[in-house]
Amino acid sequence: EAGVTQFPSHSVIEKGQTVTLRCDPISGHDNLYWYRRVMGKEIKFLLHFVKESKQDESGMPNNRFLAERTGGTYSTLKVQPAELEDSGVYFCASSPSPWRWTEAFFGQGTRLTVV
Amino acid sequence: DQQVKQNSPSLSVQEGRISILNCDYTNSMFDYFLWYKKYPAEGPTFLISISSIKDKNEDGRFTVFLNKSAKHLSLHIVPSQPGDSAVYFCAASYTGTASKLTFGTGTRLQVTL
Repeated sequence: EAGVTQFPSHSVIEKGQTVTLRCDPISGHDNLYWYRRVMGKEIKFLLHFVKESKQDESGMPNNRFLAERTGGTYSTLKVQPAELEDSGVYFCASSPSPWRWTEAFFGQGTRLTVV
Repeated sequence: DQQVKQNSPSLSVQEGRISILNCDYTNSMFDYFLWYKKYPAEGPTFLISISSIKDKNEDGRFTVFLNKSAKHLSLHIVPSQPGDSAVYFCAASYTGTASKLTFGTGTRLQVTL
C-alpha cells in the first residue's frame, strides 16, 4: 500500500515567486493535514481537511497561503508570493479519522527554500 | 507560546544503555500524548502513545511515562541501539482540538557504539 506522497521533495524559489506543494494521501483517508517545521523549531499545524472541506485552518500563517483539496483526494498548498520566512519543511499527513493518530501517516516532506 | 517543550536539543547514549527523552507541557487540557521518530529526509513516524488516564505505556524496548501533576512525560528506550539514532518529537492533543497535534521542537538522539 502506498504511503503519503509529497511533491516536490525540495524546492528553491526566489522571494516573490509562487510555489505549489502537492500531497497525495493514503487512499481512503478522508482526513488530510498540513504541518510545517521551520528550521530547528517545532512542527506546527497549518490546517486540516475532511474530504474536500477545510475543518480547521487556524494554523495558516496569512493569506499568502492557500490550500485546496478538490474532490477530496490530493491536496495542494500554494504560497504566493513567497517570503524568506516561509522557508522550512512542509509535511502532509493523512488518517482515517481525526482522533486516530496512531493510524495517521506523514509524508516525507517538501523542503522549501526561499532565497 | 510553546505549549509542548523538549528542552534537550540533543542526547548521546552508548549502545545498550538506556535513553531517556523528556517532554514538558503547559496546557492542562492535553489528554493524549505521542512520541514520533524522524530520520533525515523522512516524515515523522509514530512510535508510542499514552492517554492521560494512564501513567505508563510499554511497547517492546519503548516505554512512555506520564506525570500529569508535573505536566511531564518521558520516553525510555532500553536497550538503545544504533538504529534508534534519530530526532524524537513529543506531541500532544486534546479532545476539543482532535484535528491537530501540538509538537515539541525535537531531541536528536545519537546512539554510539
